[in-house]
Amino acid sequence: LAKTTQPISMDSYEGQEVNITCSHNNIATNDYITWYQQFPSQGPRFIIQGYKTKVTNEVASLFIPADRKSSTLSLPRVSLSDTAVYYCLVGSSGAGSYQLTFGKGTKLSVIP
Amino acid sequence: GAGVSQSPSNKVTEKGKDVELRCDPISGHTALYWYRQSLGQGLEFLIYFQGNSAPDKSGLPSDRFSAERTGGSVSTLTIQRTQQEDSAVYLCASSLDRSAGYEQYFGPGTRLTVT
Repeated sequence: LAKTTQPISMDSYEGQEVNITCSHNNIATNDYITWYQQFPSQGPRFIIQGYKTKVTNEVASLFIPADRKSSTLSLPRVSLSDTAVYYCLVGSSGAGSYQLTFGKGTKLSVIP
Repeated sequence: GAGVSQSPSNKVTEKGKDVELRCDPISGHTALYWYRQSLGQGLEFLIYFQGNSAPDKSGLPSDRFSAERTGGSVSTLTIQRTQQEDSAVYLCASSLDRSAGYEQYFGPGTRLTVT
């Protein structure tokens, strides 16, 4: 199983770009990297997913180096509403392996 | 359409009692997942269903935990002889299928308190 490691917490001011890095040294060939956002008393919500290089959507970018042993979630110009816990997920549906591994999450606090 | 729903939203039970937690996935989603989240902790994978079968039950913490899914839709997580350490939020998620590139949609969770 690919174990993930993230910073426990981060602080940022409004309007800044925030980069959260996740380490997954034992990532398997079939594994995808997915990031989720969770607000208090809610279930996690999908943000972005990637396999290699760079992926961008309307809310974030995901950077994955060639060795795929880490990934970086980039949130442009954060606002107070981005205060949440962000989880890095590594997993695949390859034959015989359906285990999913969530990191412990990074608590992002956006300061006015 | 409707998202993933879970019931009850809150459950308080006495130690030693059995509890059943229900998950209604998004219609058409063949994959269903159960997770547990203890206070201030990350998500702990419990079990995964593809259709009605559960290829991987290794995340279930003990034999007091069981889950089933019928008709490829609703799933029930049962905890027998509850213990105080079972207190947590139990989250259910579903996805369109199990192939790589899936996105999981989470329900609001059931908060279980064992007294």
